[in-house]
Amino acid sequence: KAGVTQTPRYLIKTRGQQVTLSCSPISGHRSVSWYQQTPGQGLQFLFEYFSETQRNKGNFPGRFSGRQFSNSRSEMNVSTLELGDSALYLCASSSGTGKETQYFGPGTRLLVL
Amino acid sequence: AQSVTQLGSHVSVSEGALVLLRCNYSSSVPPYLFWYVQYPNQGLQLLLKYTSAATLVKGINGFEAEFKKSETSFHLTKPSAHMSDAAEYFCAVSEDNQGGKLIFGQGTELSVKP
Repeated sequence: KAGVTQTPRYLIKTRGQQVTLSCSPISGHRSVSWYQQTPGQGLQFLFEYFSETQRNKGNFPGRFSGRQFSNSRSEMNVSTLELGDSALYLCASSSGTGKETQYFGPGTRLLVL
Repeated sequence: AQSVTQLGSHVSVSEGALVLLRCNYSSSVPPYLFWYVQYPNQGLQLLLKYTSAATLVKGINGFEAEFKKSETSFHLTKPSAHMSDAAEYFCAVSEDNQGGKLIFGQGTELSVKP
């Protein structure tokens, strides 16, 4: 089975722009979760989508949004980028229950200038 | 609310020595616990998980962890460190009613000296 894929792998944007990141889960997985990783804050949960519905949400401002398509692929969008949004954005897929393993993609590294 | 605390942001051991990475959790319901490893410029790879079966869990690459409810701990160990074990290790917790949401500790960077 193919693993979780994320595109693009690297991205450079300037403040005020918006960005869309994409995540394709493992075939058959219905849950996609997004995480932000920074040196200062570590790994923080952004949100989870399950069967095209947002099921869980972390403590991030409304500039961070996401969606999931009928094929379980997911996108996250960050509007009005700030310098502090520079991070590694990881997505993970699973079958959707708490005890199931989440499989992580390689991440998208976003740099905001 | 769930939380995870990893004691020690950096741990250094000699090759062949015991590896012990500490993790304590807080959860209002029986938790599911995970250890992930991250190599530079890569995503996270699952080492092992506890899902309320055996309290001693064996994972990949010779790692194991023991769930101790009385101590709310899930420490990761490996009897003999190898140079290739140098990486960052994350402990995480999830709950049944939280679906695909993981709460991570701050991570422990493991260095292995020759």
